[in-house]
Amino acid sequence: SAVISQKPSRDICQRGTSLTIQCQVDSQVTMMFWYRQQPGQSLTLIATANQGSEATYESGFVIDKFPISRPNLTFSTLTVSNMSPEDSSIYLCSVGKTGLNTEAFFGQGTRLTVV
Amino acid sequence: DAKTTQPNSMESNEEEPVHLPCNHSTISGTDYIHWYRQLPSQGPEYVIHGLTSNVNNRMASLAIAEDRKSSTLILHRATLRDAAVYYCILRDPRMGGSEKLVFGKGTKLTVNP
Repeated sequence: SAVISQKPSRDICQRGTSLTIQCQVDSQVTMMFWYRQQPGQSLTLIATANQGSEATYESGFVIDKFPISRPNLTFSTLTVSNMSPEDSSIYLCSVGKTGLNTEAFFGQGTRLTVV
Repeated sequence: DAKTTQPNSMESNEEEPVHLPCNHSTISGTDYIHWYRQLPSQGPEYVIHGLTSNVNNRMASLAIAEDRKSSTLILHRATLRDAAVYYCILRDPRMGGSEKLVFGKGTKLTVNP
């Protein structure tokens, strides 16, 4: 299993500012992912955080808006840049290990409100 | 990723079995069927997964149709703590990036006391 700690758990931010969300895992993991969950909606994958290289973004998400770092196998950050009220969502970190259908683990999420 | 179809919502009474259906008519031969659930104000958690045979674990059972075009997650005795959104997801371990999960809308399960 893997225990994930996300910080902050929630924040209220002014539009035009940026927020960096941290994801810390209690063990080394191969795969780390960032998801967004807009109010009342399902989860949408933002990107795969790659250790030592640039993140792989899904369609509709760009590095300038959501820069991601992954300096090692237990830690990643997601920054939400130049925020607008439309960025108000829950952001979740997920981790997994390569292998045949291993399960994924999720953090509790960061609830972001942009005013 | 192959698409899955689930009912938007279902209701159950406490202590009764719950059968949550999932249709995946375009499933490929190597797609595994995964189920996750998201309790209120929490991140998703793994429930169960299978390929062809029915599977059981401490949380639930997974019944997979013989043609694999549908599956059913079975909660044998629903409790109030089982109230959550349940997601049925297909994953192909051969595909690059298969570790990522693509979530559909899921089924919101309400459990009545």
